[in-house]
Amino acid sequence: EIVLTQSPGTLSLSPGERATLSCRASQTVTWSEIAWYQQKPGQAPRLLMYGASHRAAGIPDRFSGSGSGTDFTLTISRLEPEDFAVYYCQKYGTSPPTAFGPGTKVDIK
Amino acid sequence: QVQLVESGGGVVQPGGSLTLSCAASGFIFNNYGMHWVRQTPGKGLEWVAFIRNDGSNEYYADSVKGRFTISRDNSKNTVYLQMNSLRAEDTALYYCAKGGGPYGNYLIFDDWGQGTLVTVSS
Repeated sequence: EIVLTQSPGTLSLSPGERATLSCRASQTVTWSEIAWYQQKPGQAPRLLMYGASHRAAGIPDRFSGSGSGTDFTLTISRLEPEDFAVYYCQKYGTSPPTAFGPGTKVDIK
Repeated sequence: QVQLVESGGGVVQPGGSLTLSCAASGFIFNNYGMHWVRQTPGKGLEWVAFIRNDGSNEYYADSVKGRFTISRDNSKNTVYLQMNSLRAEDTALYYCAKGGGPYGNYLIFDDWGQGTLVTVSS
């Protein structure tokens, strides 16, 4: 079973800065089956990215994803006030189960 | 637009039972598999169970296998989670989530409800 590790645990940045979030898998992820979710306080998670680099519907282009193998990255090019949240990566496949990382909190410096 | 509304959470003693419901609207319910995912401050997000669109197959996390049962009623656009033999570690916010959508994989959660809180405590 694949285990996902996210780093850093917390990222303190200012609006307008670039955020780089890492998701590392314990085994090679085939077909780049990595998704990213954003969760704000009191809200459910929201799908941001799938297939490592594809934005979900309605997600602004300041969000981008990359990576392959065991190392994946979510980048927010210029942080907007509404981007301060917790971000989770997820490894999915062709059948359950599916695993989530522990999350990275992006907070205001 | 898609709406998923969970209900049925509450406080239950260890060993007890609870049934959660998730009422769906805004999409063709019987075209999509449905999931339950739970969240705790300590363990983060944990996938719990999945049922195919026609109810033909169910899958469970090892942590709940044999204790929880997922089911659905396509005539009522509702998915259920029957939870038996509850333990303290089952305490969590339980979300229902729609699987797949336009993203080509039913394990991608493209819509979520707001969750219902289950507390297992004596």
